[in-house]
Amino acid sequence: AQSVTQLGSHVSVSEGALVLLRCNYSSSVPPYLFWYVQYPNQGLQLLLKYTTGATLVKGINGFEAEFKKSETSFHLTKPSAHMSDAAEYFCAVSDPNNAGNMLTFGGGTRLMVKP
Amino acid sequence: DTGVSQDPRHKITKRGQNVTFRCDPISEHNRLYWYRQTLGQGPEFLTYFQNEAQLEKSRLLSDRFSAERPKGSFSTLEIQRTEQGDSAMYLCASSLVSGGSATQYFGPGTRLTVL
Repeated sequence: AQSVTQLGSHVSVSEGALVLLRCNYSSSVPPYLFWYVQYPNQGLQLLLKYTTGATLVKGINGFEAEFKKSETSFHLTKPSAHMSDAAEYFCAVSDPNNAGNMLTFGGGTRLMVKP
Repeated sequence: DTGVSQDPRHKITKRGQNVTFRCDPISEHNRLYWYRQTLGQGPEFLTYFQNEAQLEKSRLLSDRFSAERPKGSFSTLEIQRTEQGDSAMYLCASSLVSGGSATQYFGPGTRLTVL
């Protein structure tokens, strides 16, 4: 079974500051890894994903994440926060050996950006 | 590409009533997923279809829940004899499976409130 832990249900940063959202996973095999963003009353939008290859993945809106197998982590970063980044962020995994590719999500981290 | 659409966006019902939700995936996407998201939590997998075949159901999907995708296009999710614990956001996602990990595109969700 897979599981995802997002440390910090709420993160607050100032506009222009570094954004760091933490994600650790538990999986019997190296999983596929995803970050999604959810704005109020909307569905989830994919920010980035890691399947194979380069462990540093760049996504939309200036976000990036690095897969660290030894730490079982996939933390999301952005060098400079913008007010429009305020949203809920979800880390998710799927099992490459499962044909269904169902996603297992973490509990989410709400990012607040202060002016 | 008009994205994944869901109808209705909001549903308020009384305990014991039946409700049905509809999801229209991105055209030509052969995979369709249903997830449930309760307040303050990440989405949880319910079931998925490949074309018209329902291939997997979560233990979360009790006997009161039924999902269909009759022609491999839109899908419906019915909840019979609703309970207050069914109150949640029901999310639909679709993907085009072409090997590897296909990105799931999410709809805006249907928010169900059971009084």
